[in-house]
Amino acid sequence: NAGVTQTPKFQVLKTGQSMTLQCAQDMNHNSMYWYRQDPGMGLRLIYYSASEGTTDKGEVPNGYNVSRLNKREFSLRLESAAPSQTSVYFCASSEVEGAYTEAFFGQGTRLTVV
Amino acid sequence: GDSVTQMEGPVTLSEEAFLTINCTYTATGYPSLFWYVQYPGEGLQLLLKATKADDKGSNKGFEATYRKETTSFHLEKGSVQVSDSAVYFCALGGSNYQLIWGAGTKLIIKP
Repeated sequence: NAGVTQTPKFQVLKTGQSMTLQCAQDMNHNSMYWYRQDPGMGLRLIYYSASEGTTDKGEVPNGYNVSRLNKREFSLRLESAAPSQTSVYFCASSEVEGAYTEAFFGQGTRLTVV
Repeated sequence: GDSVTQMEGPVTLSEEAFLTINCTYTATGYPSLFWYVQYPGEGLQLLLKATKADDKGSNKGFEATYRKETTSFHLEKGSVQVSDSAVYFCALGGSNYQLIWGAGTKLIIKP
């Protein structure tokens, strides 16, 4: 059981380049999330998708777009990368059942924008 | 809005020492509370959780009790090991399917 799979694991971009981070989960979860992790700032939510066909902005959506391609896949796109987007990106999924249930995380994508 | 505050790190302890990592929260209602752990180079994984007041979550020797009166969810372990070295995150289940995260506490255990 793979859980949550993110690709790529590492990426270096030049300022202004675009790229898409891919995420897939095999747990049949309805909800999926994209976070960024910066030193000393914990996790910040970029976008989330409560269910297939819906997406919503989180705390730090500027500079990003997302697509919930189907129930399994949730991609994050940087249209014009900036050095401020250098970070570690995590995808997560969960199944909400009344009280909030646990989130399962991918291994992360370490992105450097130069 | 909802928020989580946890003690700043790094926390450095010797092997077999007692561990406490403090976590307090602000929230409307009675959210679920979580501790996640992140080992070097890995994603986060759930360590333990509590879904209502006075619940005690436990796993791998770690414990935390949901204290409504003090709005706290402190993480404890009686005897830490080098393998416990990691970053620990406290979180609460907020509204709109979101988890609200603390900043994380880095734990370093010396042999």
